Amino acid sequence: EAQVTQNPRYLITVTGKKLTVTCSQNMNHEYMSWYRQDPGLGLRQIYYSMNVEVTDKGDVPEGYKVSRKEKRNFPLILESPSPNQTSLYFCASSLGSGSNQPQHFGDGTRLSIL
Amino acid sequence: TQLLEQSPQFLSIQEGENLTVYCNSSSVFSSLQWYRQEPGEGPVLLVTVVTGGEVKKLKRLTFQFGDARKDSSLHITAAQPGDTGLYLCAGVETSGTYKYIFGTGTRLKVLA
Repeated sequence: EAQVTQNPRYLITVTGKKLTVTCSQNMNHEYMSWYRQDPGLGLRQIYYSMNVEVTDKGDVPEGYKVSRKEKRNFPLILESPSPNQTSLYFCASSLGSGSNQPQHFGDGTRLSIL
Repeated sequence: TQLLEQSPQFLSIQEGENLTVYCNSSSVFSSLQWYRQEPGEGPVLLVTVVTGGEVKKLKRLTFQFGDARKDSSLHITAAQPGDTGLYLCAGVETSGTYKYIFGTGTRLKVLA
């Protein structure tokens, strides 16, 4: 089954403790991206990757890192999480970066930073 | 950064009523997508509109792309409780990046 898998689905942690949210897709998609969703602000893109070893900043990259060493995986790293990074996070992938390419989303990771 | 503004932000209607959701920008987009998101899940693509003036229908949902490709609308005829969800428009910036921009969303509740 074609899917985007995120782990963990839920995480409660404390300020400053490094964490990684994994994302994997099995559709051989080139474009992958991370979003955060906050009430009243919609989905905002954090980082995106157009292919292996190619990543770029979205609209809200501060406090986050990503890597794309393999085509299928695109982990999101919070080196020193802070409470303002408490949010619902989504990973998505699409065949390419074209504006008519549908994005396929994971089921989300709800992150709480105390 | 290009912006997409959606209105209304919230909508609560009775089953059988019609409604329209708007997605507006001051910038041109080469295409716009509409997604629906249900609680506990990621957004799912409904449609992509590509050509200015284009109209696409998906059962009781009608999507239109503005002639100038700066706006889009979603019209639902005879809404049903199953239409309840968060509706999002989205597009890729045309400024040379490949950033994806999402609208702020319209939360629709259809009461039986």
